[in-house]
Order: sequence, then structure tokens, then C-alpha cells
Amino acid sequence: EVQLVESGGDLVQPGGSLRLSCAVSGFSFSNYWMSWVRQDPGKGLEWVANINQDGRKKNYVDSVKGRFTISRDNAKNSLYLQMNSLRVEDTAVYFCARAMRDSPYSIFDYWGQGALVTVSS
Amino acid sequence: DIVMTQSPDSLAVSLGERATINCKSSQSLLYDSNNKDYLGWYQQKPGQPPKLLFYWASTRESGVPDRFSGSGSGTDFTLSISNLQAEDVAVYYCQEYYSLSHNFGGGTKVEIK
Repeated sequence: EVQLVESGGDLVQPGGSLRLSCAVSGFSFSNYWMSWVRQDPGKGLEWVANINQDGRKKNYVDSVKGRFTISRDNAKNSLYLQMNSLRVEDTAVYFCARAMRDSPYSIFDYWGQGALVTVSS
Repeated sequence: DIVMTQSPDSLAVSLGERATINCKSSQSLLYDSNNKDYLGWYQQKPGQPPKLLFYWASTRESGVPDRFSGSGSGTDFTLSISNLQAEDVAVYYCQEYYSLSHNFGGGTKVEIK
């Protein structure tokens, strides 16, 4: 069974940092592109970043470039999102998601349950 | 950036009837080299992550009931739910994967009338 489990969500002050983790099981993690997608509470979905299989190719939505870093550890079957200089507007549930295709342009076929990040003073 | 516009924002349908959700993209999602539309549909229930229903606009994901259908090409797409069941109450999202931004529509809430 494919499982993705996020952790690390918390309440943090504006300007602070947080690191999200996503532990995966049930599939060969090292064979897949992975993404982070966020959802404002009660609102819509926004793709945040993706990373290729060996971690060398990364893409970000403009609003997080220079502040967020996506990474992975294939030996630990884990995906990460380092979030720095957090802003109130970064408040959201953050999902990790698996790309269906071997491409940065892909739909997402499996999602985690999400981790809540709240940025507030 | 590609803008995805869903309509309506919400709809109430009687059990057993049909629900139709529209999704319009600001530019074509049809990739000429493979003649595929880079458009997918998700279902999201409260407290749950999105669940993939369709990809390539009309390819049903494994396990999705055949009362769900996806159609359209280019810039105009439709998700239809025939014979609506109580368990279909959810918010439905379209998503383009033609661009790296992977833009989502704003969602359509389906309720029982």
C-alpha cells in the first residue's frame, strides 16, 4: 500500500523557519518525481515545488523562490521542504504528492494527509 | 501563467441525477507532440487530501466508478457525475500540468439537493 506521511507542521512567527518531512512507503521512492502542494484553510490548492528522482532538478512557484528548498533522501525514503522567512500568507496545509509521470509536468496520483503550517505572531 | 476557471462554484443535485462541472483554461492544454490534454480532475472530501479521478482529461484512474466521466480538449473541459450518490458529496478540482505551475481551478462544491 502506498503511503505518504507528512510531519513537522507547527505554529511559527513571521520570519521564522520550519522543516517539513514526508515519509513514504509502498513504492520505489527513488523512481519518482515528488511535489509539495499547499492548501489555504478553506481555500484552493497551490503547487509549491517539485524535485526529480536524484534530487538534482528542482522547480518552485515564484512566491517561494529563494525562501523554500525542496530536497530528498532516497536512502530514507523521505522528502523534505525547508521553509525560511515565513510569511503569514504561507499559512496552509502542506501535502506531499507523488508524480504519476516521469516528468516535472505531471498529475499527482498519491497524496499524504497533510501537515498544517500556521504563520502568525 | 495559465488560469484555470471552474464553474459553478457550487451546485446541489438530487440523488440519482447528473452533476456537471466545467473547467476552462486560459490557454490550450493540448500538447501537439503527443496529442494529449494535460488536464486532471480530483475529488476532495473534508479532512482528506485530493483523490485523483482523471488524467489526460478523460482517462479514469483505477478504482473510480464509471458514473464519473471526463471530457473536453484544448481549453474547455467537463467532469460529469451521473446517478449522483451520497458519497459523491465533495469539492472537485481541475488541474493543468501543461506548465510547471500546475495550476488548479478554484473548486466546485457538490451537494445533495
